[in-house]
Amino acid sequence: NAGVTQTPKFRILKIGQSMTLQCTQDMNHNYMYWYRQDPGMGLKLIYYSVGAGITDKGEVPNGYNVSRSTTEDFPLRLELAAPSQTSVYFCASSYQARTYEQYFGPGTRLTVT
Amino acid sequence: ILNVEQSPQSLHVQEGDSTNFTCSFPSSNFYALHWYRWETAKSPEALFVMTLNGDEKKKGRISATLNTKEGYSYLYIKGSQPEDSATYLCAFSNTGNQFYFGTGTSLTVIP
Repeated sequence: NAGVTQTPKFRILKIGQSMTLQCTQDMNHNYMYWYRQDPGMGLKLIYYSVGAGITDKGEVPNGYNVSRSTTEDFPLRLELAAPSQTSVYFCASSYQARTYEQYFGPGTRLTVT
Repeated sequence: ILNVEQSPQSLHVQEGDSTNFTCSFPSSNFYALHWYRWETAKSPEALFVMTLNGDEKKKGRISATLNTKEGYSYLYIKGSQPEDSATYLCAFSNTGNQFYFGTGTSLTVIP
């Protein structure tokens, strides 16, 4: 099992550009999550999904969009990138709800200049 | 804004010392409390998931307790080893299906 994979590992965007961060898991997990981590801050939940076709906002959803067309994939879309979106982004998955541990991907380091 | 606080922010201990950290969270609408271990240049890895008041979990030299009524959890490491050096994160989940992470406790074990 590869677990949770994320691409790309690093990316530099110019202000106003758009991009999609990819996340794939091969553990047949129903729940998937996107977090961002800023220096000195804890992980902040951006969006989560409880299954294919179902997504919901987390604590910091503004400026992002998600979709979940398959169990395996949970891409995060940044539209009109802003410097405030410079962060490290982590995707995670869990078998079921909040009483199951989350498995994290390796992260994507994004810089917006 | 929902706050999950961890203390201390960082800790340096000698090899063989035992240590403990605290995670404080809101006591209302509690659903679950997670502990993760995060080594530098890696991804967070789960240690424990606790759901019931009074829960105690153990994995090797690491253990955790949970008090949902007063809103805190303790993580204990017995006989710290250099390989225990990492950041330890706690995450609180409420009945609203959200997760709130603390900023972590950075542990350095000095050989």
